[in-house]
Amino acid sequence: KAGVTQTPRYLIKTRGQQVTLSCSPISGHRSVSWYQQTPGQGLQFLFEYFSETQRNKGNFPGRFSGRQFSNSRSEMNVSTLELGDSALYLCASSLEAGGSEQFFGPGTRLTVL
Amino acid sequence: AQSVTQPDIHITVSEGASLELRCNYSYGATPYLFWYVQSPGQGLQLLLKYFSGDTLVQGIKGFEAEFKRSQSSFNLRKPSVHWSDAAEYFCAVGPSGGYNKLIFGAGTRLAVHP
Repeated sequence: KAGVTQTPRYLIKTRGQQVTLSCSPISGHRSVSWYQQTPGQGLQFLFEYFSETQRNKGNFPGRFSGRQFSNSRSEMNVSTLELGDSALYLCASSLEAGGSEQFFGPGTRLTVL
Repeated sequence: AQSVTQPDIHITVSEGASLELRCNYSYGATPYLFWYVQSPGQGLQLLLKYFSGDTLVQGIKGFEAEFKRSQSSFNLRKPSVHWSDAAEYFCAVGPSGGYNKLIFGAGTRLAVHP
């Protein structure tokens, strides 16, 4: 069974632009969560989607948004990019919502210049 | 507030030596506990998890961890380290129901000397 896939793997943007990252969960998994990883703040939870609904959101500004499609694929969007948004963005999928084991993708490395 | 503390930022061990990585958590309810490993440029791989039951859990790659409720700890151990174990290790806690939000520790970077 294929693992979690994330596209693109690397991205370079300039301040003020917006970006969309994509995540395809493991087949059969219905929950997708997103995390941001930076050297300064470590791994921080962004949001969780299940059945196309955002169930939980971390402490991030409204510039960070996401959605989930009927096939469980998910996208996250960051608008008006700032230098501090440079990070590794990790997607995790799990079979169900709520306390279940999460499997992580390889991440998308975003660099904001 | 919910938090995870990994007291050791860097650890260096010799190949073949035993390893223990420490993890302490602060959580209002009984949490789910996880250890993940991350190699450079890679995502996170789950080593093991504790949901309930036996407090000593076995994971992949010869790792084990012990849940000690009285000490709020979930330390990771391996009896004999291999050079390929060099990576960054993250302890995480999650709710025992409801949401999939994980709270991670800052990580421990493991170096292995030949």
